[in-house]
Amino acid sequence: DTEVTQTPKHLVMGMTNKKSLKCEQHMGHRAMYWYKQKAKKPPELMFVYSYEKLSINESVPSRFSPECPNSSLLNLHLHALQPEDSALYLCASSRGGLILSGNTIYFGEGSWLTVV
Amino acid sequence: DAKTTQPNSMESNEEEPVHLPCNHSTISGTDYIHWYRQLPSQGPEYVIHGLTSNVNNRMASLAIAEDRKSSTLILHRATLRDAAVYYCINPPSGTYKYIFGTGTRLKVLA
Repeated sequence: DTEVTQTPKHLVMGMTNKKSLKCEQHMGHRAMYWYKQKAKKPPELMFVYSYEKLSINESVPSRFSPECPNSSLLNLHLHALQPEDSALYLCASSRGGLILSGNTIYFGEGSWLTVV
Repeated sequence: DAKTTQPNSMESNEEEPVHLPCNHSTISGTDYIHWYRQLPSQGPEYVIHGLTSNVNNRMASLAIAEDRKSSTLILHRATLRDAAVYYCINPPSGTYKYIFGTGTRLKVLA
């Protein structure tokens, strides 16, 4: 089972709302990623968790707050977002541990976020 | 971060081979070359990766230049389902930094 599940698939939120995106995998992976993708652009790395600890934060604004409550779950908490934050948010996972060849990353289908 | 350069778009006829190039002139000696593709309305999916030798799998082949400054993803017989954006990535060895470049949008003509 090579599946990363993201919920919700679509989310519309106001600029004062607080919402969360959720991601789940049951492949035993210990690294989990958040990417943001605007239309016709490549995915942009936001955060990486490794063994439930934040490993990479690509200078993402604090209105995006990641959380990794256990090895299977990854959340992205959203608060006071701007319309320009509207995008596809992709979750991914890979085996943990940093190996020279790099780990194959498995992506979910994404959550489409619209900020109004 | 290692930078990759790919053509913005390419076209191919169905059932013909496709060669997708990637330049990665700043690649370090131990950095692997990874290829992912993103079909419409889906998340990216792994295609293939390699270090120095050419690599084959059921999806594609990867040809790596001797100086490792460029590589080519080869789809042996393109199908309509191969229409996607193809990304070449060089994550720094031993990191989780999978940074996507602009990619190549492949159009397959029936």
